[in-house]
Amino acid sequence: NAGVTQTPKFQVLKTGQSMTLQCAQDMNHEYMSWYRQDPGMGLRLIHYSVGAGITDQGEVPNGYNVSRSTTEDFPLRLLSAAPSQTSVYLCASSSIFQAGYGYTFGSGTRLTVV
Amino acid sequence: QKEVEQDPGPLSVPEGAIVSLNCTYSNSAFQYFMWYRQYSRKGPELLMYTYSSGNKEDGRFTAQVDKSSKYISLFIRDSQPSDSATYLCAMIGSGAGSYQLTFGKGTKLSVIP
Repeated sequence: NAGVTQTPKFQVLKTGQSMTLQCAQDMNHEYMSWYRQDPGMGLRLIHYSVGAGITDQGEVPNGYNVSRSTTEDFPLRLLSAAPSQTSVYLCASSSIFQAGYGYTFGSGTRLTVV
Repeated sequence: QKEVEQDPGPLSVPEGAIVSLNCTYSNSAFQYFMWYRQYSRKGPELLMYTYSSGNKEDGRFTAQVDKSSKYISLFIRDSQPSDSATYLCAMIGSGAGSYQLTFGKGTKLSVIP
């Protein structure tokens, strides 16, 4: 049981480049979300999804796109990387009926934009 | 006022000490309360969850919820260097459509041998 798998673990991008961060879960969870984690800022919600074909914006969506074509996968796309997007990106999932029991997080992608 | 307030620390204690970590919140609709532990360069992992008010104990860890004061706590007894991590509180309501956790910013704990 792998849980939530994020790839890559580390990435360095040049300003203006685009890339996709991958997130996959094998728990048949309806809810998936992307957070960025910056020192002193806590977790900030970027985008989330409550099922295949359904996505919505969180607190800080600008510069990011998501799609959810399957229950298992929820990729996050950076359209044109900027230094302000240097951060740790965390993917999380849960059952929408058992969110009170907490999310399962991936191990994160550490992104540096130069 | 933010929905969830958590002292960021850092908090440094000697090995064997009792540690108290706390969060306050403003939304009376919150019913489920969680504590996550996050080691450096890792994702958060769920440590404990509690429904409504009361205490829950798991080994050296005790979670307390006081809904009347909108205050939750995590106590760590006989703290160990392996407890050094950032601890995040999180909470959520129980109504239909409640799937969005609200997180505190986290408290960084160091347990010194």
